[in-house]
Amino acid sequence: AQSVAQPEDQVNVAEGNPLTVKCTYSVSGNPYLFWYVQYPNRGLQFLLKYITGDNLVKGSYGFEAEFNKSQTSFHLKKPSALVSDSALYFCAVSPDSSYKLIFGSGTRLLVRP
Amino acid sequence: DGGITQSPKYLFRKEGQNVTLSCEQNLNHDAMYWYRQDPGQGLRLIYYSQIVNDFQKGDIAEGYSVSREKKESFPLTVTSAQKNPTAFYLCASSIGQGPYGYTFGSGTRLTVV
Repeated sequence: AQSVAQPEDQVNVAEGNPLTVKCTYSVSGNPYLFWYVQYPNRGLQFLLKYITGDNLVKGSYGFEAEFNKSQTSFHLKKPSALVSDSALYFCAVSPDSSYKLIFGSGTRLLVRP
Repeated sequence: DGGITQSPKYLFRKEGQNVTLSCEQNLNHDAMYWYRQDPGQGLRLIYYSQIVNDFQKGDIAEGYSVSREKKESFPLTVTSAQKNPTAFYLCASSIGQGPYGYTFGSGTRLTVV
């Protein structure tokens, strides 16, 4: 079965420290991978995506993600966290030739001052 | 600016009533989707539509209905058969198959009173 796993319900980090939000996937074929962010009572906003090519993808607000095919992972990273980064983060995968995105369960990031 | 508009932002429903949530997009996207989000949980797919006058059930379609009479519009009706409708509802659209991801609306919070 095709799926996305975000193993951490919550990640806590101090402002200024690096952050990592983990994502692993299980799909057939070559996946397209996405990260979205959701602020309270808002829709999801696109952060970045991996299609092909360089395994390190840079996105909005200083976020980046590293695609690792052997580990089937697509972890979200940021070198220096801000309090304003506190939000709910979703990883998603689109299997080859599919309209639908498969979403992970979400990880709440809390950045403390 | 192009985007997706969901209305209303907040909606209150009495027991036994049907209510309709609006979703309109001016992105010229072919595909549209409805998701349900419960507190602390991820996104669950209710219905999706790849083209006008066609739609498919998602993972939790019972108690919901949709129509796709126009490319721009994909309204969701929450019927009285939906026993636990209180949730945050998100509409999304995408160009179609491939690495395009979704654009999300800002959501409608439905509460049963």
